[in-house]
Amino acid sequence: KAGVTQTPRYLIKTRGQQVTLSCSPISGHRSVSWYQQTPGQGLQFLFEYFSETQRNKGNFPGRFSGRQFSNSRSEMNVSTLELGDSALYLCASSLAASRRGTEAFFGQGTRLTVV
Amino acid sequence: TQLLEQSPQFLSIQEGENLTVYCNSSSVFSSLQWYRQEPGEGPVLLVTVVTGGEVKKLKRLTFQFGDARKDSSLHITAAQPGDTGLYLCAGASGNTGKLIFGQGTTLQVKP
Repeated sequence: KAGVTQTPRYLIKTRGQQVTLSCSPISGHRSVSWYQQTPGQGLQFLFEYFSETQRNKGNFPGRFSGRQFSNSRSEMNVSTLELGDSALYLCASSLAASRRGTEAFFGQGTRLTVV
Repeated sequence: TQLLEQSPQFLSIQEGENLTVYCNSSSVFSSLQWYRQEPGEGPVLLVTVVTGGEVKKLKRLTFQFGDARKDSSLHITAAQPGDTGLYLCAGASGNTGKLIFGQGTTLQVKP
């Protein structure tokens, strides 16, 4: 069974640019969540998509957005990049259909560096 | 706002020692998960606990969920260098994919 695949693994962008990250969940998982990980703040929840609908949202500015396609693949977009957006962006997939179904399986992450 | 306080933040011990990591909150969680993360990689799920008072064992690792489902602990017996890494607890409310993470415990086990 294939795991969660995130692309690209590494990205370097300039301030003001925008970026799109991609995530393919485990087959059969309908929930995809995105997290930002930084040394100072740890892992922070960005948003969750379930069956193509945003089901939960964290406390991030509107520059952070996402979407989910009918095959459950998800993309995350960050517009007008700031230096503080440099982080490891993690995607997690889960069944999210029961208490044990909240177990999250993470991809390897995308390391975004904003210069 | 739900928060998970994880302690200690850093732990450096000798091979063979025992250790306990704590995860505490004032909020009730429907389930709690423990993950281990290596540098540059995504977290890997170790265990999920859903019932208050539940105890789960994974070889030398013992996980416990508090009776009130507000806290959890991870105990490692006879730590080995291979246990080195970042340990994260994460709580879920309801059946959604949203997880609240603790700040993490960086464990270093010296041979």
